[in-house]
Amino acid sequence: GALVYQYPRRTICKSGTSMRMECQAVGFQATSVAWYRQSPQKTFELIALSTVNSAIKYEQNFTQEKFPISHPNLSFSSMTVLNAYLEDRGLYLCGARTGRDTQYFGPGTRLLVL
Amino acid sequence: QQKVQQSPESLTVSEGAMASLNCTFSDGTSDNFRWYRQHSGKGLEVLVSIFSDGEKEEGRFTAHLNRASLHVSLHIREPQPSDSAVYLCAMSNTGNYKYVFGAGTRLKVIA
Repeated sequence: GALVYQYPRRTICKSGTSMRMECQAVGFQATSVAWYRQSPQKTFELIALSTVNSAIKYEQNFTQEKFPISHPNLSFSSMTVLNAYLEDRGLYLCGARTGRDTQYFGPGTRLLVL
Repeated sequence: QQKVQQSPESLTVSEGAMASLNCTFSDGTSDNFRWYRQHSGKGLEVLVSIFSDGEKEEGRFTAHLNRASLHVSLHIREPQPSDSAVYLCAMSNTGNYKYVFGAGTRLKVIA
């Protein structure tokens, strides 16, 4: 079956430091990977969408300088939160998609910033 | 950009009673609708995907979509305390690959 793994599942970093999270698609080819963030008491916001053979598209309020993303092949993507501060805490979700309607979400990486 | 409103914000039902959750959206461009559930501290669990007007059932979960009225609902038959969670609707357009999420409905099922 199709699965999406994310790691770490939970991490703590000091304010001002950076944290890298990874997303692995198993059992299918992730032609696009979307990264979302759920901040405390909020719903999921799309950070950026990475599609094979296309440039990574960042949503308003999110930048490559802050959230650089790598999508080197059809099964793996990573995103780094650079210079993390309190407002960056939350659950980061990776959604890997193949085809028209098949999107699989990972369990998320929960980031705590001290 | 598509906007999604979920109602109610919170809902308490007794075990065994039907639970109904609603989403309205701002325009009819989306063609891919999903209901997810998120237990406290966990990731997303997909419940039902629906792509055309009408009804789609997955076990105890039934989604109804009416794009003309910009509305999609989720009905949970015989809810149990373990169904207590935040329920999120999300939608996207084919080829867009971007999901827009509602703010969620917090469901509590009491025994």
